[in-house]
Amino acid sequence: DIEMTQSPSALSASIGDRVTITCRASQSISRHLNWYQQKGGKAPQVLIHGASNLEPGVPSRFSGSGSGTDFTLTISSLQPDDFATYYCQQSYYMTTFGQGTKVESK
Amino acid sequence: QVAEFGGGLVKPGGSLRLSCTASGFSLYDSWMNWVRQAPGKGLEWVGRIKSRNVGATPDYAAPVKGRFTMSMDDSKNTIYLQMDNLTTEDTAVYYCTALSRFEGVIFMSRWGRGTLVTVSS
Repeated sequence: DIEMTQSPSALSASIGDRVTITCRASQSISRHLNWYQQKGGKAPQVLIHGASNLEPGVPSRFSGSGSGTDFTLTISSLQPDDFATYYCQQSYYMTTFGQGTKVESK
Repeated sequence: QVAEFGGGLVKPGGSLRLSCTASGFSLYDSWMNWVRQAPGKGLEWVGRIKSRNVGATPDYAAPVKGRFTMSMDDSKNTIYLQMDNLTTEDTAVYYCTALSRFEGVIFMSRWGRGTLVTVSS
């Protein structure tokens, strides 16, 4: 099985901050890496697929990069609506999620 | 859209069947997933069923293999998750998701609201 390790598990940030979340795969997954946002008790929503493709309707302050085993989700300027939990997911072979990163208000 | 039905309270060792109805697209050419989230925990993949046009074959995550069975009813544009021999570890919100493919990468493009399954005596 492919394991996904996300870091940090939680972070505190202020409005306007640049936020970076990393995700590492236990083996190369090319660019088969997706990012999801989950707010409160709601269903997750896809933000980025294929490592760097922004899903239509997602604000441009979100961006993704990486390939192989190391990936990054960046929020260029944190907004109030961005306090949430973020998950990476590989779809190279079956599916595995990272453990999540909770973004909280400092 | 996708919508899940069938959650509830069940005793350990019991069974439950969830359903997920798709609207606005056809399961004939859409792959579907089940993902669950235990209370206060992260997301866990349960399994997937491929589209009808490639055989509607299922794949399962290790923790549920042999206990859970996925199937599809084309006439109702619905998939099912039959869960047998349930344990307290299966307590979770179960999400049905539709898969999309872009530049060769599969991702979960649509999510239902989820249905809560509670396994408790």
